[in-house]
Amino acid sequence: AQSVTQPDIHITVSEGASLELRCNYSYGATPYLFWYVQSPGQGLQLLLKYFSGDTLVQGIKGFEAEFKRSQSSFNLRKPSVHWSDAAEYFCAVNSGANNLFFGTGTRLTVIP
Amino acid sequence: DAGVIQSPRHEVTEMGQEVTLRCKPISGHDYLFWYRQTMMRGLELLIYFNNNVPIDDSGMPEDRFSAKMPNASFSTLKIQPSEPRDSAVYFCASSPRQGRDGYTFGSGTRLTVV
Repeated sequence: AQSVTQPDIHITVSEGASLELRCNYSYGATPYLFWYVQSPGQGLQLLLKYFSGDTLVQGIKGFEAEFKRSQSSFNLRKPSVHWSDAAEYFCAVNSGANNLFFGTGTRLTVIP
Repeated sequence: DAGVIQSPRHEVTEMGQEVTLRCKPISGHDYLFWYRQTMMRGLELLIYFNNNVPIDDSGMPEDRFSAKMPNASFSTLKIQPSEPRDSAVYFCASSPRQGRDGYTFGSGTRLTVV
């Protein structure tokens, strides 16, 4: 069975600091991996995705993520956080059977 | 493209009443999904459709929940009778293909059952 673990429930960073949100997955083969962001009262917006090729993928809003097969990880990064990045971030995995499994989310707080 | 459109945005109803949530997917997307989000259980897939046909409804919690997709541009999720534990945010999402495409989510319907 596939699963997604986001070990950090809540992260606080200062504006301008770098950010890394962790995501680990459990699946027998290489899955399709996604990061979504959810602002309060809003739906989920796709930040980036990985399904093959270059293990470093670029997304919207200056985010990137790196797929590491050896660590079963797909961590999200941003070099300099903006106050508008405060939101909930979800990692998700899809085995190809079209059922997207979500992690429990990491809430990001940005302090001035 | 207006994206995935859900209505209503908010719904407050009394226990025992019927509730119908509506969704219009993105034109040309063959897959439609209904998710429920709660603090306790996070995001749960309830059911999904491919070309208007229900494929997997194993996430539907009880017989009180039903979903239909009469055509490619409209889907409903119905709860009858509603209970307070059904209070959650319900999201509809659509996708053009299987697997590798991310889903596009609607803004959700916040349901409160009192």
